[in-house]
Amino acid sequence: EIQLQESGPGLVKPSQSLSLTCSVTGYTITSGYDWSWIRKFPGNKMEWMAYISYSGGTNYNPSLKSRISMTRDTSKKQFFLQLNSVTTEDTATYYCARRKAGSLFDYWGQGVMVTVSS
Amino acid sequence: DIVLTQSPALAVSLGQRATISCRASQSVSTSSYNLMHWYQQKPGEQPKLLIYDASNLASGIPVRFSGSGSGTDFTLTINPVQADDIATYYCQQSREFPLTFGSGTKLEIK
Repeated sequence: EIQLQESGPGLVKPSQSLSLTCSVTGYTITSGYDWSWIRKFPGNKMEWMAYISYSGGTNYNPSLKSRISMTRDTSKKQFFLQLNSVTTEDTATYYCARRKAGSLFDYWGQGVMVTVSS
Repeated sequence: DIVLTQSPALAVSLGQRATISCRASQSVSTSSYNLMHWYQQKPGEQPKLLIYDASNLASGIPVRFSGSGSGTDFTLTINPVQADDIATYYCQQSREFPLTFGSGTKLEIK
C-alpha cells in the first residue's frame, strides 16, 4: 500500500525558511508519477504549490515561484519542500500527495501543521 | 488562474440526495476530457479522491457518489446521504496550471 508521511518543524519564525520532508513507502518515486505539495490555510482555502516529476523536473505555482524549491532523494524515497522568507500568511497545513496523469491527487499524506510566528 | 466557486455549506437530511456544485471561471473541458475532480475531507484527515474527470468513481468509493458536468459547471451528487458523509467537499481543476481548488462545501445534516 502506498503511504506518504510529512515531517518537519511545526513552528517557523517570520523571514526564515520552511523545510518539509515527504517520505513515501510502497512505491518508488521514479516509477512514473509525480509528487506534489499542497497546503490548506485556516479557513479551508487549498493551494497547489508545486510538483516534482518522476524524472526530477519541477513545476511551481507562479504565486510562489520566487520563494519555493522542491528536491528529492530517490534512494531514500523522499522529496522535499523549501519555502523561503515565510510570513504569517504561510501558516497552513501542508500535505504531500501523488499526482496522477491528468493532474489529480490519488494518495495524500496526513498533513503537517506549520505555524509561522515569532 | 481558473477560479472555482462552491457554496460554503449544504444541509440535507439523512437518506436524501445532496447536490454540491462547482462553477469554474472558464472551461475546464477539452475535446476528450472534463478535467474536474472531487475530494472529500473529514476533520483531522487528509483529502480523499472521490471522482476524477468529472464523472469517474475513484477506486473504493461507494456508488452513492456520482459526478457530472462539463465546461464550467460541475456537480457532485451523494444519494442517499449517510452519516459518514459529513465532511467538506472540494473540487479541483487540472485544465491548466496552476492547479486550483474550490473553497469547499461543508455538508451538514438537517
